[in-house]
Amino acid sequence: GAVVSQHPSWVICKSGTSVKIECRSLDFQATTMFWYRQFPKQSLMLMATSNEGSKATYEQGVEKDKFLINHASLTLSTLTVTSAHPEDSSFYICSARFGAGNSPLHFGNGTRLTVT
Amino acid sequence: RKEVEQDPGPFNVPEGATVAFNCTYSNSASQSFFWYRQDCRKEPKLLMSVYSSGNEDGRFTAQLNRASQYISLLIRDSKLSDSATYLCFANAGGTSYGKLTFGQGTILTVHP
Repeated sequence: GAVVSQHPSWVICKSGTSVKIECRSLDFQATTMFWYRQFPKQSLMLMATSNEGSKATYEQGVEKDKFLINHASLTLSTLTVTSAHPEDSSFYICSARFGAGNSPLHFGNGTRLTVT
Repeated sequence: RKEVEQDPGPFNVPEGATVAFNCTYSNSASQSFFWYRQDCRKEPKLLMSVYSSGNEDGRFTAQLNRASQYISLLIRDSKLSDSATYLCFANAGGTSYGKLTFGQGTILTVHP
């Protein structure tokens, strides 16, 4: 079945550094991928919609210059957290839809980011 | 008002119990609905789709009420392994797909 792979699964970095997270659709092409963030005991929050070959669409309150999204191919979207700070520590999850119409989202395994 | 609302619980039930969750959605244009399960510190996994006629998968039954704009999930004969957070998802379709349409999740704990 459809699989969405995310890498790395966890990362610890120092404040001020940048972290890149990859999201791949392994056996299907995804023109659109979604990036979510989830803080402990809170719900998933959509950060941005990543569109292959065009600019990402960011949700209100999400800084596009801080969370850089690149969707250069139909199977890969990347999220770069630039100049990370401790408050950026969170669980970042990507998702993609396999198939057309109203098919469900499939999620990557998530990346747990800890900024020290 | 949030687009999708769920009772966060927690629901604490004994093994073997039947438990039901509801989820209301505000966008009447929503076209498809799903239930996801999320275990602690893991990504959400698709549990089942929700069809207008209602559908069943083993111990799980999902129903949709378009008139009242809610979906439900019924779990029969609860198992310890059913303990998780259950998320409902309503999709308005088109370019709005995926947009802020997850419920906040309902926490279920099944105890011996």
